[in-house]
Amino acid sequence: DVKVTQSSRYLVKRTGEKVFLECVQDMDHENMFWYRQDPGLGLRLIYFSYDVKMKEKGDIPEGYSVSREKKERFSLILESASTNQTSMYLCASSLSGLAENSDTQYFGPGTRLTVL
Amino acid sequence: AQSVTQLGSHVSVSEGALVLLRCNYSSSVPPYLFWYVQYPNQGLQLLLKYTSAATLVKGINGFEAEFKKSETSFHLTKPSAHMSDAAEYFCAVKGGTNAGKSTFGDGTTLTVKP
Repeated sequence: DVKVTQSSRYLVKRTGEKVFLECVQDMDHENMFWYRQDPGLGLRLIYFSYDVKMKEKGDIPEGYSVSREKKERFSLILESASTNQTSMYLCASSLSGLAENSDTQYFGPGTRLTVL
Repeated sequence: AQSVTQLGSHVSVSEGALVLLRCNYSSSVPPYLFWYVQYPNQGLQLLLKYTSAATLVKGINGFEAEFKKSETSFHLTKPSAHMSDAAEYFCAVKGGTNAGKSTFGDGTTLTVKP
């Protein structure tokens, strides 16, 4: 089974702090994604990466950056956390290309971030 | 461009009753369509997907969905609800022009009453 793990289930930070959210997948997937989930707004894509050191902005990249130095790890960085970044953050991964199940995303358990 | 609309942010059914969760999509290319489920305090997991094969797709836990191109719909159904079906359900669409990326709906919370 594909396993996607996130470094923390719950995180509390203060306004202005730099925050790192880590995501690791163990199935050699090319694609990795960061979403935030807010009530009534569904999942909104922040960034995604289709290869090591490659990234593409999603729908709401402002205030965030990402890093993908190794294929299995995708980090989300909040350079200066703000209260409006309090949310659930979900990481996902998928295969690329024409492989079977290349279109299915596999999700981690999520990190609930609170910024005070 | 692609988008998904889930009709009804909350659906409540009695145990044993039919479950119907609605999803309409928009896509400029033949879509791939998905239903994911999220149980409390967990990430999303795939329930079922349509990838241009059979229009009636069967998934896990007795759920199924029918792709109707003329109605641009992909509604999720289950004949008899179980208490364990209580969760949030997300419909998603992936078009060929956005390789790797899916667009998710806002989600529908299903409550099952005893």
